[in-house]
Amino acid sequence: GAGVSQSPSNKVTEKGKDVELRCDPISGHTALYWYRQSLGQGLEFLIYFQGNSAPDKSGLPSDRFSAERTGGSVSTLTIQRTQQEDSAVYLCASSRSGGGGYEQYFGPGTRLTVT
Amino acid sequence: KQEVTQIPAALSVPEGENLVLNCSFTDSAIYNLQWFRQDPGKGLTSLLLIQSSQREQTSGRLNASLDKSSGRSTLYIAASQPGDSATYLCAVRARDDKIIFGKGTRLHILP
Repeated sequence: GAGVSQSPSNKVTEKGKDVELRCDPISGHTALYWYRQSLGQGLEFLIYFQGNSAPDKSGLPSDRFSAERTGGSVSTLTIQRTQQEDSAVYLCASSRSGGGGYEQYFGPGTRLTVT
Repeated sequence: KQEVTQIPAALSVPEGENLVLNCSFTDSAIYNLQWFRQDPGKGLTSLLLIQSSQREQTSGRLNASLDKSSGRSTLYIAASQPGDSATYLCAVRARDDKIIFGKGTRLHILP
């Protein structure tokens, strides 16, 4: 079946604008994860959903970042009042369940550039 | 706080050689450890997942081991090929469900 998809693949925005990134997980996967990969940095865990619930939002870098998931499927990551340091590749992954036993499958990412 | 370290940061080896990539983590209370590869400009591809109760996993030319008590994992690649060139990442799933990645090892296989 289809893998994890993300849109847009590239986004260029002006500083101060809001952006919305979308993730479509693999059908039937109940767990969904968001990460950020900055140039020269490792992957930074942002948030994890089990179903529509995010048990821990402490990984989000600031209160300008928010994420939601509806219907146990699509998730959106919203960044308000974007700053240049928000420029990164945002990766989404899904797994069959949120338990520790399942592999994560990654989407191709959204490259965000804030000018 | 869980930290994941990968050594070396970069590695170049001639084609055909066997090689070992290392991953260490500071807190042994993990659910699992997963190895990924990332090709330039692409997302991550899962290679192997080792549960906390397991010692190793094998897939083709790849073998990953886990020593939870010492906080170490190794990824062994046999008979390396130019197509193995990529960045290899390890990630641990901590008990609070956060997934912590290392910064990766950039592997270059010389034809």
